[in-house]
Amino acid sequence: SQQGEEDPQALSIQEGENATMNCSYKTSINNLQWYRQNSGRGLVHLILIRSNEREKHSGRLRVTLDTSKKSSSLLITASRAADTASYFCALISNFGNEKLTFGTGTRLTIIP
Amino acid sequence: EAQVTQNPRYLITVTGKKLTVTCSQNMNHEYMSWYRQDPGLGLRQIYYSMNVEVTDKGDVPEGYKVSRKEKRNFPLILESPSPNQTSLYFCASSLWGTSGRPQETQYFGPGTRLLVL
Repeated sequence: SQQGEEDPQALSIQEGENATMNCSYKTSINNLQWYRQNSGRGLVHLILIRSNEREKHSGRLRVTLDTSKKSSSLLITASRAADTASYFCALISNFGNEKLTFGTGTRLTIIP
Repeated sequence: EAQVTQNPRYLITVTGKKLTVTCSQNMNHEYMSWYRQDPGLGLRQIYYSMNVEVTDKGDVPEGYKVSRKEKRNFPLILESPSPNQTSLYFCASSLWGTSGRPQETQYFGPGTRLLVL
């Protein structure tokens, strides 16, 4: 399967702490993206990291990519209650299809 | 405002009654796709389209049809809905990447929650 697998499936932390989520995959990728989904709503794009990049930042978000380990991590620093959501990694493989494949997500809860 | 719109947002129907969920984007995107989201299974792609009159199956196409007659619209058609198609459906669009893949950010619609009785 080309699907990414997020870890952990659920995470609860205190407001102000950092949250780290991981995504592992099995295929060679072209790029990997992280999305956020508030309960029952559409997904919102957070960051795209290409296969030749190792780290990207966007505000309080930091994404790393290790293609040798076939894994990526999303770090949210100084978490806020509004960060409570599900987070998904999604990837496009290098093997001939155009599908963006999503993982099953990490459910993040920020405790005020 | 750049956006993807879906209609209806909520739909309750009965088995076998044909329905269409519309999707429209105003960003001139080439690539459009439909996903369904079910608990524990994440998002699974139903169909995608790389441009007008070009569509292809995703991971779970059975029981669905799509068409792409215009660049901005990509309706999802359920000819004979069944209860196992009860789900949350998302339409998404993006630019087509220079290397021939949808490398760019996917923009998602707000979702359509479908219940088939």
